[in-house]
Amino acid sequence: KNEVEQSPQNLTAQEGEFITINCSYSVGISALHWLQQHPGGGIVSLFMLSSGKKKHGRLIATINIQEKHSSLHITASHPRDSAVYICAVGMASGSRLTFGEGTQLTVNP
Amino acid sequence: EAGVTQFPSHSVIEKGQTVTLRCDPISGHDNLYWYRRVMGKEIKFLLHFVKESKQDESGMPNNRFLAERTGGTYSTLKVQPAELEDSGVYFCASSSTGFSLQHFGDGTRLSIL
Repeated sequence: KNEVEQSPQNLTAQEGEFITINCSYSVGISALHWLQQHPGGGIVSLFMLSSGKKKHGRLIATINIQEKHSSLHITASHPRDSAVYICAVGMASGSRLTFGEGTQLTVNP
Repeated sequence: EAGVTQFPSHSVIEKGQTVTLRCDPISGHDNLYWYRRVMGKEIKFLLHFVKESKQDESGMPNNRFLAERTGGTYSTLKVQPAELEDSGVYFCASSSTGFSLQHFGDGTRLSIL
């Protein structure tokens, strides 16, 4: 069993829908990262969280340290949001990341 | 600010040959990481440099993989000799010291025939 589990593995939505992707982890962490990988392959860091909630545009990330769970929300989804969203955790400042398998999101117009 | 750059973007070689991947981190970033994604699996850690020193190389699969970071700037990852199971996408990331985001390159897609 992977130390970082994401759900769902695949998600299809209609443009405008509110989307939630979940991440659970089984180890103690210093920070949780949400990443985005587009079909071209490059990875972009979206958020780094150690507590609470962060918001950037239509993206919101939350984390519950006690429950070892994080969610990534996308409001008013758009086809350009279609990508693989990856959750990753770091055990200490500057340390390596341990990744989930990713969630393939497809937003249809 | 230039991002993390990786070269080549694609490499196709035959089993038994040697391949060298290069990563140029963001200028001033002391931390440099190599990761790999093989088909159908999650991205996995290979190793971590702090400046020119190997901080953690516990993810290196075997001694066919050799990583260097010259003068704490760019890094190379050499696979010699390449085997079929080495195929995948190799990502490099860099970060500044302390509690900071890792910035990823676009990856090198390596195919071993």
